[in-house]
Amino acid sequence: DADVTQTPRNRITKTGKRIMLECSQTKGHDRMYWYRQDPGLGLQLIYYSFDVKDINKGEISDGYSVSRQAQAKFSLSLESAIPNQTALYFCATSEGGTNQPQHFGDGTRLSIL
Amino acid sequence: AQTVTQSQPEMSVQEAETVTLSCTYDTSENNYYLFWYKQPPSRQMILVIRQEAYKQQNATENRFSVNFQKAAKSFSLKISDSQLGDTAMYFCAFMKRNSGNTPLVFGKGTRLSVIA
Repeated sequence: DADVTQTPRNRITKTGKRIMLECSQTKGHDRMYWYRQDPGLGLQLIYYSFDVKDINKGEISDGYSVSRQAQAKFSLSLESAIPNQTALYFCATSEGGTNQPQHFGDGTRLSIL
Repeated sequence: AQTVTQSQPEMSVQEAETVTLSCTYDTSENNYYLFWYKQPPSRQMILVIRQEAYKQQNATENRFSVNFQKAAKSFSLKISDSQLGDTAMYFCAFMKRNSGNTPLVFGKGTRLSVIA
């Protein structure tokens, strides 16, 4: 399985701050994703990238931006954090081609006061 | 757009018993994949089982099996001989099968408690 590492694991910050969540993987997967999990809502897709030059918006991209710095790294930024962005954030990766499941990191719990 | 519905927010089962978690989905696609993910209190997302829509045979992984009814757009998960370690949130997810992986669409989850 992919080794998907998210940093930080937990973060508490204030409204208006710029926040960056980082994701790195060691298995050479082409595809990377950012999801947000809120209680009772499951996981919702924020952004995804199929390779270094490919960035796509998901269903809830407003207020977020991403950077695919390398095949192994995919960062999620909140330019000006607001309290309703408090959530658990997951990074996931998958190989190219069909029928490739996504492998998730351990999540970053973000609290915005 | 695809939607995934898990109609049971919470369920409980006695240790060693069998439990079935429900999932229905809505899509106009003919080729797709379905997944069940488990999220224990440690919050990791762990792939439990997957099903390819073009395969009629139901997938099984040890104590986990699915009942895939394509015409009814139903994809339930059966856990046999439930163990305390099965306590977790379970998410059903859908993915289109096309020229490239598309992101997963998740249901809202079912919280399963296994009781000793």
